[in-house]
Amino acid sequence: NAGVTQTPKFQVLKTGQSMTLQCAQDMNHNSMYWYRQDPGMGLRLIYYSASEGTTDKGEVPNGYNVSRLNKREFSLRLESAAPSQTSVYFCASSEVFWGGQFFGPGTRLTVL
Amino acid sequence: GESVGLHLPTLSVQEGDNSIINCAYSNSASDYFIWYKQESGKGPQFIIDIRSNMDKRQGQRVTVLLNKTVKHLSLQIAATQPGDSAVYFCAENKGGNNRLAFGKGNQVVVIP
Repeated sequence: NAGVTQTPKFQVLKTGQSMTLQCAQDMNHNSMYWYRQDPGMGLRLIYYSASEGTTDKGEVPNGYNVSRLNKREFSLRLESAAPSQTSVYFCASSEVFWGGQFFGPGTRLTVL
Repeated sequence: GESVGLHLPTLSVQEGDNSIINCAYSNSASDYFIWYKQESGKGPQFIIDIRSNMDKRQGQRVTVLLNKTVKHLSLQIAATQPGDSAVYFCAENKGGNNRLAFGKGNQVVVIP
């Protein structure tokens, strides 16, 4: 099992450009999550999907959209990238309630 | 790899000694807690979890202690090894859908 995979690993964007970060999991988990990690800020939840067909805002949703494409895949879209979105983005998945969230390797995004 | 946090509390430990990492959580209603390990350039890795109806839980070389009275969580690592050098995060489940709130992290440096 690959666990949680993310693409791309690295990306550099110019202000105003758009892009989609891809995430897939092969553990048959119901819930999936997108976080960003900034120095000194820890991990902050952007959006999550408790189950296929549902999505909800997390702590810092502004400037992002998500799509739960199917049970395996959960994408994060930046419609008009801003320098404040320079960060490391992590996708995670879990069973519905109990049990840890399992993280992907991250996407390192720089917005110039 | 990139830094996951500036000015993180740092614990320097001699190889073979025991490590204790502390975490204060915020919500007395939180009922599930997890410790994660993050190595440089990688995603967080699940170490051990504990539910609020327990005070202690042991894993392989790790023990988590929960003191609900003072809202304190600790992770003990026995016989610390160089591979234990990482940033350690505690996380609390503040509500449904397994939404986790992460602490800012503690850096552990193992001295050979």
